[in-house]
Amino acid sequence: GENVEQHPSTLSVQEGDSAVIKCTYSDSASNYFPWYKQELGKRPQLIIDIRSNVGEKKDQRIAVTLNKTAKHFSLHITETQPEDSAVYFCAATMSPFQKLVFGTGTRLLVSP
Amino acid sequence: DADVTQTPRNRITKTGKRIMLECSQTKGHDRMYWYRQDPGLGLRLIYYSFDVKDINKGEISDGYSVSRQAQAKFSLSLESAIPNQTALYFCATRIKDSGTNEQFFGPGTRLTVL
Repeated sequence: GENVEQHPSTLSVQEGDSAVIKCTYSDSASNYFPWYKQELGKRPQLIIDIRSNVGEKKDQRIAVTLNKTAKHFSLHITETQPEDSAVYFCAATMSPFQKLVFGTGTRLLVSP
Repeated sequence: DADVTQTPRNRITKTGKRIMLECSQTKGHDRMYWYRQDPGLGLRLIYYSFDVKDINKGEISDGYSVSRQAQAKFSLSLESAIPNQTALYFCATRIKDSGTNEQFFGPGTRLTVL
């Protein structure tokens, strides 16, 4: 079936470093790619998203890039802070009905 | 996000019992979803509904059923619970044909089947 692969599964960085999480998808018709952040014991919340007609989108310290030809997209967090520690999920819309298929998640740990 | 609520928040039950998880939303969204979350597996779609008369199976619907009682309510049932249905369950909503495909999640229900 259609799927989304996400790497790495865990990522440890020092405060102030950058973090990059990568995802690949299989459905060439996918046109929407959100990233969700889930803090411990909380619900997933959207932090940034990108549509297929855009190659890059930034929001302060976070950015997402999309390569439609290669079918991969990435989350970039700069100047990481301890409060960035969480599990991050990528997702892509899949046929039919453009439902979201999620990656398996990346646990990011930012050490002070 | 208090606009999407789930009850109960935690439930422990025994194998073979029937369980219902409820989701309510005040966002006025027409689309509703049920996911389960397992460690290392991410969020997997169980069922989704585009309106009261439109219900669709997701990737892991076996052993589950749903009911869309109203636009604002979407319930998930486990007819005969089994231990491998122990998971964290999330309801989510989305508005149709908006400028964004963003889904809004409820707080989750932690279900343990003994």
